[in-house]
Amino acid sequence: GEDVEQSLFLSVREGDSSVINCTYTDSSSTYLYWYKQEPGAGLQLLTYIFSNMDMKQDQRLTVLLNKKDKHLSLRIADTQTGDSAIYFCAETNTGNQFYFGTGTSLTVIP
Amino acid sequence: KAGVTQTPRYLIKTRGQQVTLSCSPISGHRSVSWYQQTPGQGLQFLFEYFSETQRNKGNFPGRFSGRQFSNSRSEMNVSTLELGDSALYLCASRDSTATYNEQFFGPGTRLTVL
Repeated sequence: GEDVEQSLFLSVREGDSSVINCTYTDSSSTYLYWYKQEPGAGLQLLTYIFSNMDMKQDQRLTVLLNKKDKHLSLRIADTQTGDSAIYFCAETNTGNQFYFGTGTSLTVIP
Repeated sequence: KAGVTQTPRYLIKTRGQQVTLSCSPISGHRSVSWYQQTPGQGLQFLFEYFSETQRNKGNFPGRFSGRQFSNSRSEMNVSTLELGDSALYLCASRDSTATYNEQFFGPGTRLTVL
């Protein structure tokens, strides 16, 4: 299967920006996603980007895609304590099978 | 619409037993996928069902099986449980006609094997 990699932990101070990075191996990816998982809950889709886009902005969230390097990042501006969660990146090529990263646990320090 | 529901939410079993987990997708969604989540491994894809047929399968042993009913509800079964099967099992449904293939996840079933 395809590999999707993320660093496991990130810690930031409240009000700072957070940047969560992800690399993947599938050169045929069509959609890439960022999901958020809060304790005791399933995953919630935060945002997605189509593979022919470089950037997508949605309120405090900015997604950057470097398709050449197969690198995806999620920037959260003005990070709040409510943003503390595990963030997963995921990709699909056919839309039928999705590959998820290991998840990055974001801790926001007040 | 109601979200994806999974039952039971928590389960404790012993090695060698078998277990069946249930997932009810969002109304109208015909695709149901199952994932195993363990710390450090992220989400590992188990299988996907669409219209009662298994459409994709991940790299798991044959002890893991599933099925889907005509109302799109799905079950997964794990036989001869091992300690390493302890995990959060997540089910996700999607409307396969949607442009960006958003998956909607249930809260998961936390399985502990003793």
